[in-house]
Amino acid sequence: KNEVEQSPQNLTAQEGEFITINCSYSVGISALHWLQQHPGGGIVSLFMLSSGKKKHGRLIATINIQEKHSSLHITASHPRDSAVYICAVSPLTGGGNKLTFGTGTQLKVEL
Amino acid sequence: DGGITQSPKYLFRKEGQNVTLSCEQNLNHDAMYWYRQDPGQGLRLIYYSQIVNDFQKGDIAEGYSVSREKKESFPLTVTSAQKNPTAFYLCASSISGGTTGELFFGEGSRLTVL
Repeated sequence: KNEVEQSPQNLTAQEGEFITINCSYSVGISALHWLQQHPGGGIVSLFMLSSGKKKHGRLIATINIQEKHSSLHITASHPRDSAVYICAVSPLTGGGNKLTFGTGTQLKVEL
Repeated sequence: DGGITQSPKYLFRKEGQNVTLSCEQNLNHDAMYWYRQDPGQGLRLIYYSQIVNDFQKGDIAEGYSVSREKKESFPLTVTSAQKNPTAFYLCASSISGGTTGELFFGEGSRLTVL
């Protein structure tokens, strides 16, 4: 069993829909990261959070440390949101930024 | 603008050849990382460096080598000892490797062994 599990693996939505991607992890963490990988392969950091909720534009990330669960929400989705979204955690053991990554959620937003 | 530059974007290698992937950052970050990405798998850490002239093996270091002679540069050599080198390679950096911090990634290099 992977230490970081994402669901769903693939998601197709219509433009304007509210989207939720989930991430569950099994180890103690100091922080959780949400990343976006563009079709060309480059990765951009969206959020880093250790508690509560963060918002940036149409993106919202929440985390529940007790339940070891995080969600990434996209409001009013748009075709340009189509990408792979990756959850990664910084385990309490191991030190530094030795992240453990999920396998990603492939999102496609259609007109 | 500050960022991470990886080159080349695409690289083809014959079996038995060593190849070096370049990673340069102008973010003044202390820590740099190399990850490998294969289809259906999460990113895996190959090597990381928390400071100049020092680096540590990650989870899949066999068949790879790195150097960190300058703060800005962290090249990765894929040696002939790497049995399955065809993959997408990503370089990243963070302000410090000692604490959790935001990661900044390059655009990646895709290596194909012919």
